[in-house]
Amino acid sequence: GDSVTQMEGPVTLSEEAFLTINCTYTATGYPSLFWYVQYPGEGLQLLLKATKADDKGSNKGFEATYRKETTSFHLEKGSVQVSDSAVYFCALSDRNGNKLVFGAGTILRVKS
Amino acid sequence: DADVTQTPRNRITKTGKRIMLECSQTKGHDRMYWYRQDPGLGLRLIYYSFDVKDINKGEISDGYSVSRQAQAKFSLSLESAIPNQTALYFCATSDFAQGSYNEQFFGPGTRLTVL
Repeated sequence: GDSVTQMEGPVTLSEEAFLTINCTYTATGYPSLFWYVQYPGEGLQLLLKATKADDKGSNKGFEATYRKETTSFHLEKGSVQVSDSAVYFCALSDRNGNKLVFGAGTILRVKS
Repeated sequence: DADVTQTPRNRITKTGKRIMLECSQTKGHDRMYWYRQDPGLGLRLIYYSFDVKDINKGEISDGYSVSRQAQAKFSLSLESAIPNQTALYFCATSDFAQGSYNEQFFGPGTRLTVL
């Protein structure tokens, strides 16, 4: 079945450091790909998405590119802030567009 | 006001008790979902519903039941709670419109502890 694998955390960075969180997927067909973010004590909210190969999703300085050849959707940010501390989830939409499949989540901690 | 609300936000109960978690939405979406979140396991789908007359099991439905009382309301029940159902529970909604790509909108979560 469909699955998503994320790098394990926690990831601890200093403010203004470069961030990469790796995400790879296994799916039938061409799923849509998402990054969700969960701030402490809150529900998940969509950070960015990409719906076809080579699409780049971007929001709040974060970017991710849909790479079909490597089945990856890595999240990047050039300069993280303390306020980016959260849990980040990579997810895909199954081929029928009916359900999301989530990765295990990666905790990001940014120190000032 | 929040688009997706969950009640209660926190609940502590004892083994064997019946518990109901409620979800309401004002987004007008047809699709609603229940997930549980456990550390290191991400979110796992319990049940989902595409309209009032459509209920589907997710990957971990055993020990849970649901009721879709109206388009805007979707309740999750634990008929006889057990300690390994201690988790954070999320409700989500989505709109099956062209181009929506199943983007889901989440409630704030209910933290359930079963002693």
